[in-house]
Amino acid sequence: EVQLVESGGGLVKPGSSLKLSCVASGFTFSSYGMHWIRQAPKKGLEWIALIYYDSSNKYYADSVKGRFTISRDNSKNTLYLEMNSLRSEDTAMYYCAKDELGFDYWGQGVMVTVSS
Amino acid sequence: DIQMTQSPASLSASLGETVTIECRASEDIYSNLAWYQQKPGNSPQLLIYDANSLADGVPSRFSGSGSGTQYSLKINSLQSEDVASYFCQQYNNYPYTFGAGTKLELK
Repeated sequence: EVQLVESGGGLVKPGSSLKLSCVASGFTFSSYGMHWIRQAPKKGLEWIALIYYDSSNKYYADSVKGRFTISRDNSKNTLYLEMNSLRSEDTAMYYCAKDELGFDYWGQGVMVTVSS
Repeated sequence: DIQMTQSPASLSASLGETVTIECRASEDIYSNLAWYQQKPGNSPQLLIYDANSLADGVPSRFSGSGSGTQYSLKINSLQSEDVASYFCQQYNNYPYTFGAGTKLELK
């Protein structure tokens, strides 16, 4: 059974940093690209980053480019999202998702709240 | 960026009814389109990929169609468990983009 479990969220002040993790199981993690997607409260979905299976390519939404960094450790089956210079508009539920014809599996999400 | 225009924003339908949700892309996305269902408090789940292929475990009352810039999701014989929000998403170009969503309620 495919499982994606995010962690690392919380309440932080504007300008702070935070690092999210997503531990994968039930599939060959090192063979798939992985994404981060977020959803602000009562809002729609926003794709924010993709990393290829071998970390050879990374793509970001303009809204996070230069502030967020996606990475992975295939030996630990873990995906990361390092978030710097956080803003109030980054407040959202953050999901990791497996790349297969869209996003075929999603984690349960982790909440990030940016507020003073 | 490819804009995904989804309609309607909300929809009220009766049990057993057939409902259709539309999604229009701002340019040709060559059927690289997925539909997701999100129930309150849950993460989204893949329903349809490649515009018309049913994801594993998804009931056959769900179907997708379309090509080019115009796509639709149809739910036949609406069930109570179909009450949810539905989102389209293109994966033809980066950045991947979503429609704004359709909230489906029971009448």
